[in-house]
Amino acid sequence: SQQGEEDPQALSIQEGENATMNCSYKTSINNLQWYRQNSGRGLVHLILIRSNEREKHSGRLRVTLDTSKKSSSLLITASRAADTASYFCATELIQGAQKLVFGQGTRLTINP
Amino acid sequence: SQTIHQWPATLVQPVGSPLSLECTVEGTSNPNLYWYRQAAGRGLQLLFYSVGIGQISSEVPQNLSASRPQDRQFILSSKKLLLSDSGFYLCAWTRGSGELFFGEGSRLTVL
Repeated sequence: SQQGEEDPQALSIQEGENATMNCSYKTSINNLQWYRQNSGRGLVHLILIRSNEREKHSGRLRVTLDTSKKSSSLLITASRAADTASYFCATELIQGAQKLVFGQGTRLTINP
Repeated sequence: SQTIHQWPATLVQPVGSPLSLECTVEGTSNPNLYWYRQAAGRGLQLLFYSVGIGQISSEVPQNLSASRPQDRQFILSSKKLLLSDSGFYLCAWTRGSGELFFGEGSRLTVL
């Protein structure tokens, strides 16, 4: 089964609301990353949080990491229509030889 | 600045035909290189990764192979395509522990 599992699979909210996506993983990690993918395009890196960090911010993005629960959340505040995309978490395993394992993604739709 | 090029962008191939997808990285040296496949509406499956010329690690037994003939070139190949090889193929690079930089992808349809 996948190392990373995102929840929910799909999320639809109104513009201006906050969007929260969750990611759970199974094995110990070096870091956890979040990526964004517009339909039919490559993925774009959003933020990286290391295993010894608990929270990180970047603009309207806030990521938390709870290694005891093996989970992470991505919060997008004040959402915009342009935030519509799929969001993936990816984990770099401690024994992963610099490999990233991706989850199935959350499809986020921001309604204007 | 670093850039990654991936081609072709789209490809329609008959079952049993060969495949070659190319990926090149500019502006960096000795990158780690990766091939991922993404089924429609799904996550990414790591197929191959390489930490140096001629060094290829395969993640999933399958009908595909990868080669790295030059430091910044990564090629995904197949001798005979199957229907199940259809998907969106993404090349990516990194210099080590950190973010991956992705190409724009190659959409393969096997008929």
